Amino acid sequence: DTAVSQTPKYLVTQMGNDKSIKCEQNLGHDTMYWYKQDSKKFLKIMFSYNNKELIINETVPNRFSPKSPDKAHLNLHINSLELGDSAVYFCASSQTYQRGQDTQYFGPGTRLTVL
Amino acid sequence: GQQVMQIPQYQHVQEGEDFTTYCNSSTTLSNIQWYKQRPGGHPVFLIQLVKSGEVKKQKRLTFQFGEAKKNSSLHITATQTTDVGTYFCAGPGGYSGGSNYKLTFGKGTLLTVNP
Repeated sequence: DTAVSQTPKYLVTQMGNDKSIKCEQNLGHDTMYWYKQDSKKFLKIMFSYNNKELIINETVPNRFSPKSPDKAHLNLHINSLELGDSAVYFCASSQTYQRGQDTQYFGPGTRLTVL
Repeated sequence: GQQVMQIPQYQHVQEGEDFTTYCNSSTTLSNIQWYKQRPGGHPVFLIQLVKSGEVKKQKRLTFQFGEAKKNSSLHITATQTTDVGTYFCAGPGGYSGGSNYKLTFGKGTLLTVNP
């Protein structure tokens, strides 16, 4: 069984469209994250939820809206997609959220290409 | 916010040669984590170091945490083609409000191995 799963794996879309990426973890973890990895491989945190509560909200355009229906799921909706949104988006989870000490378990990633 | 600096950005070695990547912080870290990302894959947790001067080994990989807890290194002895990938260090960095600290990733070192 995959511990952290994401769908879709690849997403190719036109500028201006709206798209969603879904994430699920079956590890029983309390905390989930969205990371963006650009073409230079830089991993940057975007959002984090702990038990469905938003706890990290980095400087991300408000076109990005995360939603956590329960602690096992964290989805990411992106409105009005732009060329610069092209990247690999990783979902991750950790047991808890303790001052930057938690081991992150990453999903396989969603490669988003905006044309 | 606090940053974790990682060098080198790239390293190309012949199979059998050793490899080292370094991670530095301007402030004391409570812990440091190392992750490996294979080409086309997702980051996978390798190890966490917590104690000053700590050294941990995993087969040919040796991880060190500096005495001042401001730097860390990952050394691979006698590299193999299976070691190819990007190695990231990650430490607590940045204040996200309340008592929460996020995990901040270094920019990674891409290791390529010539067979």
